[in-house]
Amino acid sequence: EPEVTQTPSHQVTQMGQEVILRCVPISNHLYFYWYRQILGQKVEFLVSFYNNEISEKSEIFDDQFSVERPDGSNFTLKIRSTKLEDSAMYFCASSPNPGLGSPLHFGNGTRLTVT
Amino acid sequence: RKEVEQDPGPFNVPEGATVAFNCTYSNSASQSFFWYRQDCRKEPKLLMSVYSSGNEDGRFTAQLNRASQYISLLIRDSKLSDSATYLCVAGCRPLAYGGATNKLIFGTGTLLAVQP
Repeated sequence: EPEVTQTPSHQVTQMGQEVILRCVPISNHLYFYWYRQILGQKVEFLVSFYNNEISEKSEIFDDQFSVERPDGSNFTLKIRSTKLEDSAMYFCASSPNPGLGSPLHFGNGTRLTVT
Repeated sequence: RKEVEQDPGPFNVPEGATVAFNCTYSNSASQSFFWYRQDCRKEPKLLMSVYSSGNEDGRFTAQLNRASQYISLLIRDSKLSDSATYLCVAGCRPLAYGGATNKLIFGTGTLLAVQP
């Protein structure tokens, strides 16, 4: 079964550093998402992306965050200057279409630790 | 008020028991509903979609009541492997963006521990 893959599985960085989290969505999917989950809290929506542009973003997704689809297969999340509170599990997801009832397929996540 | 609200549990049940989880959602514009399962420190995995008419998948039955904005999940004959956190999820296609994507709102999850 096709999978969404994310790298790295764990990223440790110092406060103020830039990080790039990478994702390879399922190949025939067109809609891409980033979610995050702070330890012990709920999964939170960050951003959705379609047709090479952001479709929607949450309040969490401020100017420090950006997304890019640099080629036909990768989808990246960049955090420009990390803060301690950015420590979380970041999940990439994709779906073939945004149709009602179309679930998202999640990658296995990148655990980001900001020290 | 939380957008999707669940009893966090934990629900401790013996093997073979029937257990029910409930969930409410506040956004009446929500159009799609799901139950996801999340194992400790793993990604959410789709358990089942939830339809207005109710639907069943093996030991799992999901119900949706749009009038009450209420979703439920029933697990029959619990197995040890059912131990996980069950996430209630509501989806909405934001009209402001022309419905381009299906944004999911997650509840905090209900922890189920099935005991031998």
